[in-house]
Amino acid sequence: AQSVTQLDSHVSVSEGTPVLLRCNYSSSYSPSLFWYVQHPNKGLQLLLKYTSAATLVKGINGFEAEFKKSETSFHLTKPSAHMSDAAEYFCVVSPAGGTSYGKLTFGQGTILTVHP
Amino acid sequence: DTEVTQTPKHLVMGMTNKKSLKCEQHMGHRAMYWYKQKAKKPPELMFVYSYEKLSINESVPSRFSPECPNSSLLNLHLHALQPEDSALYLCASSQFYNEQFFGPGTRLTVL
Repeated sequence: AQSVTQLDSHVSVSEGTPVLLRCNYSSSYSPSLFWYVQHPNKGLQLLLKYTSAATLVKGINGFEAEFKKSETSFHLTKPSAHMSDAAEYFCVVSPAGGTSYGKLTFGQGTILTVHP
Repeated sequence: DTEVTQTPKHLVMGMTNKKSLKCEQHMGHRAMYWYKQKAKKPPELMFVYSYEKLSINESVPSRFSPECPNSSLLNLHLHALQPEDSALYLCASSQFYNEQFFGPGTRLTVL
């Protein structure tokens, strides 16, 4: 079984300040982990993925995430927020095997607001 | 081409209508997915096709009928829907159950 917990339903930052979106996971198998972003009334766009290579993963638009197995966390960060980063972010787990193979488990989402 | 396309973008239908949603990808992906997303919620998996065969059906009501005519196309046939079926319907594709690439979605309203 696997699950994802996004620790904040809403995060509000000022433009130019750092962004931290927190995600904890549990999985019976060595998981793949993803962050997706969804702008209003749009589909989901893949920001970055972890698939058991480097624990620090760099993604698009300046985002990065660090996989910490001991803490079962996969937090998303960005050094400097931009107005265009305002969106909803989903932390997602995909098992590497087992009967749930191919089924993504989504967190409940974090809405990021960026103030001028 | 790294895009998943979906048509139509918006669809309004009555409870007695029959309509279809279409999804297309040309990335050579062999797994394709339908999701339903209600407002302020994460997507919920409905169906998974692997090599054009239905591999997962998440106990979806029979008024939703998926079809995979070939490796690039995925349809979702709709019949006798209820107002609670109004949602954003997302299609996705992936190669060998790696990261999924999502289309822009179809906003469905059932009157």
